[in-house]
Amino acid sequence: GAVVSQHPSRVICKSGTSVKIECRSLDFQATTMFWYRQFPKQSLMLMATSNEGSKATYEQGVEKDKFLINHASLTLSTLTVTSAHPEDSSFYICSARDLGGPEAFFGQGTRLTVV
Amino acid sequence: GDSVTQMEGPVTLSEEAFLTINCTYTATGYPSLFWYVQYPGEGLQLLLKATKADDKGSNKGFEATYRKETTSFHLEKGSVQVSDSAVYFCALSDRYNFNKFYFGSGTKLNVKP
Repeated sequence: GAVVSQHPSRVICKSGTSVKIECRSLDFQATTMFWYRQFPKQSLMLMATSNEGSKATYEQGVEKDKFLINHASLTLSTLTVTSAHPEDSSFYICSARDLGGPEAFFGQGTRLTVV
Repeated sequence: GDSVTQMEGPVTLSEEAFLTINCTYTATGYPSLFWYVQYPGEGLQLLLKATKADDKGSNKGFEATYRKETTSFHLEKGSVQVSDSAVYFCALSDRYNFNKFYFGSGTKLNVKP
């Protein structure tokens, strides 16, 4: 199956700093990418959907100025958590779809800890 | 709008027991259905899929049949192993709208030796 690489897998940052998470599709062109936040009791919360070359569509309640999403090319999307606070600590997961099939492929996830 | 509902867990089974995790959906358009599995500390992996009514997806001993009449896509396995312990997510996507991808809340499966 198609491969999505997410980096870093773990990051610890200080409160007030910014963190960038990368999501790359390695062997297909990702026309649509999704960013999720996963809470301790496993539920996935969709944060935003992005299409290459256009602005991301954020879900209700997600601050777009805090969670900056850039889908600059068909193989790369980035999520930047700006001015991170301890409550932003979570597991963030990206996924990607291409035009070739109905499924989405997931990155390995990033465990963000803000201290 | 479109949505996916799956049974709440956790589900605890003994090794070699039969597994069923229920999933029902609500959708307009032409949904494709999926089961994803998440092992601790990892992202989600596609387990199986079905793209049209009456299709059966299967992989690693798991099966699910796309039932349009009951809007269901229940996951089954005849004999679970300890290594099947994970969280299972039911999901749907729309064939023609690439921005639509919906997940259920996930069901945690614990298999005891």
